[in-house]
Amino acid sequence: DAKTTQPNSMESNEEEPVHLPCNHSTISGTDYIHWYRQLPSQGPEYVIHGLTSNVNNRMASLAIAEDRKSSTLILHRATLRDAAVYYCISRDFGNEKLTFGTGTRLTIIP
Amino acid sequence: DAGITQSPRHKVTETGTPVTLRCHQTENHRYMYWYRQDPGHGLRLIHYSYGVKDTDKGEVSDGYSVSRSKTEDFLLTLESATSSQTSVYFCAISGLGNYGYTFGSGTRLTVV
Repeated sequence: DAKTTQPNSMESNEEEPVHLPCNHSTISGTDYIHWYRQLPSQGPEYVIHGLTSNVNNRMASLAIAEDRKSSTLILHRATLRDAAVYYCISRDFGNEKLTFGTGTRLTIIP
Repeated sequence: DAGITQSPRHKVTETGTPVTLRCHQTENHRYMYWYRQDPGHGLRLIHYSYGVKDTDKGEVSDGYSVSRSKTEDFLLTLESATSSQTSVYFCAISGLGNYGYTFGSGTRLTVV
């Protein structure tokens, strides 16, 4: 599993898009990029994951750079409920363990 | 979220006593995990299971043991609780393949 680097904190205005960056320069070809978020006083929640191409689901979009050394989680229209700590995790396909870093604390400004 | 429950939700115990936390799933997932979360450390893996009676250590396993006698239950035992084990404990489940984990709501344990 490759090490990931995220900013400690970010702020964004409500109802605007949010782009959360993640660097994973040592990623290998079989490492998937996973994103989780943790709302206050709750357990982490799966957001999205991908390998090479961009991915979309009802919660967010994941844009993966062509060289796969970085990725961006996109929240298309932030709400106050999106305030959370967001974790970017690189996980090898054959590894069933998730290793969490310290994540990015996202604050949404009303 | 349905499918995974932790019990108890809160517990206060005395130093030196054994404590068992329970994780129960209804998803029939193969993998189950125990994490602890402390300020400044984030989430750290204690133990995990990849099947009934199949378990392995994570990065912070000292002082903890686990058991999985049924697919649906994964027990975490603090053999002799210490104040350093005061933490929030999360259980998680995962199916085969590179799918997402589902986490429980957590157990807040205080050792006094």
